[in-house]
Amino acid sequence: DVKVTQSSRYLVKRTGEKVFLECVQDMDHENMFWYRQDPGLGLRLIYFSYDVKMKEKGDIPEGYSVSREKKERFSLILESASTNQTSMYLCASSLWGESQYEQYFGPGTRLTVT
Amino acid sequence: SQQGEEDPQALSIQEGENATMNCSYKTSINNLQWYRQNSGRGLVHLILIRSNEREKHSGRLRVTLDTSKKSSSLLITASRAADTASYFCATSIGGTYKYIFGTGTRLKVLA
Repeated sequence: DVKVTQSSRYLVKRTGEKVFLECVQDMDHENMFWYRQDPGLGLRLIYFSYDVKMKEKGDIPEGYSVSREKKERFSLILESASTNQTSMYLCASSLWGESQYEQYFGPGTRLTVT
Repeated sequence: SQQGEEDPQALSIQEGENATMNCSYKTSINNLQWYRQNSGRGLVHLILIRSNEREKHSGRLRVTLDTSKKSSSLLITASRAADTASYFCATSIGGTYKYIFGTGTRLKVLA
């Protein structure tokens, strides 16, 4: 079974703190994604990576950065957390290729910024 | 506005009944996927249907795709309390890595 794990289920941080969210997948997937999920807005793509050290901005990258130093690990960084970044953060991975667009999701990290 | 929009937003049915939810989208797609999310958890992939397919089955799930109407439907037959979850459609647009998710249908199955 594909397994995608996220470092924390719940996280509480203060405004201005630097926050790291970690995601690890164990299936040698090329693609990894970070989404945030907010009520009424669905899932919105923050960043995407298709290979080590490669990244592309999604729809809402402002206030976030990412790091992918190893194929299995994709980190989301909030440089200076703000209250409007309180949200559920979901990491996903998938194989690259026409027939392999299924995404596997981690359990999510519910981040609260106070 | 969302590429994929589910309808209805919420649905409540009795155990054993069928549940149907719909997804509409705006632009041409490569394929469309349905996902389930149990409360406060990650999403689980249910089924993928390609743009050249019209219908697909997986266990108690039946998905249809009408590209002329830019819509898809997910039918869950003989529903169970364990089917209580939110269901999302996600569309893939021409050769990109991106999937665009709708806002979901919240299904509640009453025992």
